[in-house]
Amino acid sequence: SQQGEEDPQALSIQEGENATMNCSYKTSINNLQWYRQNSGRGLVHLILIRSNEREKHSGRLRVTLDTSKKSSSLLITASRAADTASYFCATGEQGYSTLTFGKGTMLLVSP
Amino acid sequence: KAGVTQTPRYLIKTRGQQVTLSCSPISGHRSVSWYQQTPGQGLQFLFEYFSETQRNKGNFPGRFSGRQFSNSRSEMNVSTLELGDSALYLCASSLQGIQETQYFGPGTRLLVL
Repeated sequence: SQQGEEDPQALSIQEGENATMNCSYKTSINNLQWYRQNSGRGLVHLILIRSNEREKHSGRLRVTLDTSKKSSSLLITASRAADTASYFCATGEQGYSTLTFGKGTMLLVSP
Repeated sequence: KAGVTQTPRYLIKTRGQQVTLSCSPISGHRSVSWYQQTPGQGLQFLFEYFSETQRNKGNFPGRFSGRQFSNSRSEMNVSTLELGDSALYLCASSLQGIQETQYFGPGTRLLVL
């Protein structure tokens, strides 16, 4: 079953704009990860944020985690056409050795 | 280090046949996981192997099986293929476990006719 649910399902922006994607989940987690997938290819890991962390940065990426609301957001600043991809959150549930992916947000960045 | 490799990249089979997919993890990674990705169901976890032992299994029928060899390479097998098995099958490896950063291969796209 899907643990993480991304919102929105699809997002279309212009180059240079910021893109924000959200992920909500249902149970207690050890960590939450974000991945990117370019059309029909393998996933690429972006960021892992642990349950005791609130914010993490990597280049143009900023991830926040609110465990009280069971939600996370991924912010991509100054988007580029090359950022066009699907973005997935994945949660590592506490007490289980599993990693559960959401259905993803499709991001389209137009030049 | 070389990334995760999967073979074959594309496969066409007919209903009732069986198929074996192969995955070579990043050198030194002992955990290998398999996922099925379809437009309708998204990414679904199949199983995880660690040091030749299946450590976790998703909610898939027994037609889906796998194994891991002593060099950490893994194979998954699907017997008696059904049309609904058409999907992108992704393999991922990590150093110690499934909740760590996963390094994915490019996937094997299986089409069942």
